[in-house]
Amino acid sequence: SQQGEEDPQALSIQEGENATMNCSYKTSINNLQWYRQNSGRGLVHLILIRSNEREKHSGRLRVTLDTSKKSSSLLITASRAADTASYFCATDVKGSNYKLTFGKGTLLTVNP
Amino acid sequence: EAEVAQSPRYKITEKSQAVAFWCDPISGHATLYWYRQILGQGPELLVQFQDESVVDDSQLPKDRFSAERLKGVDSTLKIQPAELGDSAMYLCASSFPKTSGGLSTDTQYFGPGTRLTVL
Repeated sequence: SQQGEEDPQALSIQEGENATMNCSYKTSINNLQWYRQNSGRGLVHLILIRSNEREKHSGRLRVTLDTSKKSSSLLITASRAADTASYFCATDVKGSNYKLTFGKGTLLTVNP
Repeated sequence: EAEVAQSPRYKITEKSQAVAFWCDPISGHATLYWYRQILGQGPELLVQFQDESVVDDSQLPKDRFSAERLKGVDSTLKIQPAELGDSAMYLCASSFPKTSGGLSTDTQYFGPGTRLTVL
């Protein structure tokens, strides 16, 4: 079963614009992670935010977490064509023994 | 940089045949995961190992799927017999769980996956 749900399912923007993706989840978590997947390849870890954190930055990435609303957002600033990929949120649910539950992902297309 | 290795990268088989996938995690990673990813969906956990022991196989269709990690290092996932609905990407990931301040923090490192097509 899917714990996280990303929104939107697909997003198309121009190079240089910012891209925002949202994730909602259902149960209490230890942490929430964002992964990127290029077409037909494995997933690459982007960033992890713990349940006691509200915001985290890594390069052009900014992640927020609102545990009261059970939601997170991923912001990619100054997007590049190379950012074109699917982005997944994954939740480490409390008591799950390091098990990650992934959402269905957001397909981001950055047009040159 | 250390990577998770998987083979084969692509596999085409006919239904009712047996298939096997291999995964070699990053050295020192105690936890190994097998995921199935259907096109357009997120990965779904099939089985999780801690060293050589199965921690979670609740989503593994045990009538046809089996997984082992005999020496707690590399792992094999087998499907016998394969069905049309098994066509998917099979991903292996590994991690070395760390605990910080009572909270578990864990990053999973994924291999390139095996694309299975069942005809």
